[in-house]
Amino acid sequence: GAVVSQHPSRVICKSGTSVKIECRSLDFQATTMFWYRQFPKKSLMLMATSNEGSKATYEQGVEKDKFLINHASLTLSTLTVTSAHPEDSSFYICSARRAGGSYGYTFGSGTRLTVV
Amino acid sequence: DAKTTQPPSMDCAEGRAANLPCNHSTISGNEYVYWYRQIHSQGPQYIIHGLKNNETNEMASLIITEDRKSSTLILPHATLRDTAVYYCIVGGSGGSNYKLTFGKGTLLTVNP
Repeated sequence: GAVVSQHPSRVICKSGTSVKIECRSLDFQATTMFWYRQFPKKSLMLMATSNEGSKATYEQGVEKDKFLINHASLTLSTLTVTSAHPEDSSFYICSARRAGGSYGYTFGSGTRLTVV
Repeated sequence: DAKTTQPPSMDCAEGRAANLPCNHSTISGNEYVYWYRQIHSQGPQYIIHGLKNNETNEMASLIITEDRKSSTLILPHATLRDTAVYYCIVGGSGGSNYKLTFGKGTLLTVNP
């Protein structure tokens, strides 16, 4: 089956620093990956669509200069939270899907970011 | 906005079947129905998806009405580990770049 690996699972950083989160598709190539954010007791909110070899597409209200997305290869997308602040503390989740309607979307295990 | 409507919560006795309903009256002809679940502080786990026909796998069954405006996820023998938030999502018409939009889901609590 399709496996998506996300790293790190948990990170604590100081306010003003940047944090990078990696998302890898382990056994399939993903031309597109998706980044979500989830606040406590809330549903997942799509932040952006990461496209291999091109710029990411951000959802309305998501600051592209704050949440930098790089999709340099068919198996790796990274999300960098720049100049993190306490309000950026959240659960970040990536997902990817094999091409073709017969496959579902696979999600990473998520990254718990705490900014202190 | 999410294209689905689900009850916010449901309870089920351990060992019994859990039937989770979902309304998706605005689904288009090429959109799939996906079901995922999320256990606290984990990424969503894929359960099942379908287009028109009923589907079954080792985890669950998916019953889609003939008009495709609603569906039911069936966990045949619920266990305590099935306690989670269950999301019904429509989308993914075949392209890998079709984004999934999550609604609020149903919190299923399986009771001993």
